[in-house]
Amino acid sequence: DAGITQSPRHKVTETGTPVTLRCHQTENHRYMYWYRQDPGHGLRLIHYSYGVKDTDKGEVSDGYSVSRSKTEDFLLTLESATSSQTSVYFCAISGLAGGYNEQFFGPGTRLTVL
Amino acid sequence: SQQGEEDPQALSIQEGENATMNCSYKTSINNLQWYRQNSGRGLVHLILIRSNEREKHSGRLRVTLDTSKKSSSLLITASRAADTASYFCATDEGSGNTGKLIFGQGTTLQVKP
Repeated sequence: DAGITQSPRHKVTETGTPVTLRCHQTENHRYMYWYRQDPGHGLRLIHYSYGVKDTDKGEVSDGYSVSRSKTEDFLLTLESATSSQTSVYFCAISGLAGGYNEQFFGPGTRLTVL
Repeated sequence: SQQGEEDPQALSIQEGENATMNCSYKTSINNLQWYRQNSGRGLVHLILIRSNEREKHSGRLRVTLDTSKKSSSLLITASRAADTASYFCATDEGSGNTGKLIFGQGTTLQVKP
């Protein structure tokens, strides 16, 4: 398995509180991604990073921010959590070699916002 | 919006039978990928097919790509109970070197022993 960990794995929080999810990789891959997975929607890209301090928005970025201060860590922050952000969050990494962009996924974080 | 749309949404077969899942997409692509997700786990990459390829094999998996119809199919031969999972197609939609993928909603496969 690719060296990707996510923390925490499970979290229950209340509406209005800030939440930070962490993705850590040991593969030295350049690209990192945050997705959310919801029934009926599949996986949707929230934000991604193409290098240290280089990030961009995905399809569903409203209400989320990210930071990447070093290659191995990509943080996803919900500034003020809402119930609509209850979901399973996946981090993924990609090395991108020769146009191939296979992604390796972490185990996921199940977030419940009450 | 989702680029890939899988069909069927759910599939139930007996062990030993073949399973076929289809994926359609909307715009031009550089490559198309298939992933598997076991319940409660992250996605695992199965196979990648480039836009200039028509067919690719990996073990019991066979993927075809028809760029004129903007569709792909994943065939799992001689299915096993362990193949029970959700299967997703993903396309890059010509996204350059960002590695961004757009995933379909998936096909849930149940293989009965």
